[in-house]
Amino acid sequence: AQTVTQSQPEMSVQEAETVTLSCTYDTSENNYYLFWYKQPPSRQMILVIRQEAYKQQNATENRFSVNFQKAAKSFSLKISDSQLGDTAMYFCAFMIIRGDGNKLVFGAGTILRVKS
Amino acid sequence: GAVVSQHPSWVICKSGTSVKIECRSLDFQATTMFWYRQFPKQSLMLMATSNEGSKATYEQGVEKDKFLINHASLTLSTLTVTSAHPEDSSFYICSVNRDRGPHEQFFGPGTRLTVL
Repeated sequence: AQTVTQSQPEMSVQEAETVTLSCTYDTSENNYYLFWYKQPPSRQMILVIRQEAYKQQNATENRFSVNFQKAAKSFSLKISDSQLGDTAMYFCAFMIIRGDGNKLVFGAGTILRVKS
Repeated sequence: GAVVSQHPSWVICKSGTSVKIECRSLDFQATTMFWYRQFPKQSLMLMATSNEGSKATYEQGVEKDKFLINHASLTLSTLTVTSAHPEDSSFYICSVNRDRGPHEQFFGPGTRLTVL
């Protein structure tokens, strides 16, 4: 079975500081993608960052970067220079690439609160 | 701009009535769309995969006759909650798979259903 585990239900960080959200997953597949999605209070799901499993280089998007450890099946998200607008629920997810529609498997989520 | 739209954004109905939720892909054609259900502060639960021109694929435990899915065109999928009851009250989100290009799912803004 494919599973995603986010062990931190809630976290808080001071504005301008750095925070890391953890994620581990379990799959026997080799061809997959990993994602971090953000869901702010509006509840609109927003893609934060994407990582192809076949790429060794960690993905980076401005203040957001990941630490992808394929052997350990770990995919943590680092947010640098945290901003109040980063307050949201963050979901780690992976997508197995097949011909049947490429479903996403989500973790339970981490609520991040950025404090001023 | 928005890639996926949902209508309505919120709906209140009486117990026993049926409610239809529309999901439209605005920027590209999509042979596959997904329907999720989300309770407050919880993760997204995949209900079904909507396939254009064929029957939807439901996840284990989801009642097919309760949640009717129709994917009649490459840009429109509908979810009908039949004979709604208070326990069906939830936030329903659709997503669209991009058939070509980088693998990614684009999410609609969601529909809040309240059954009285």
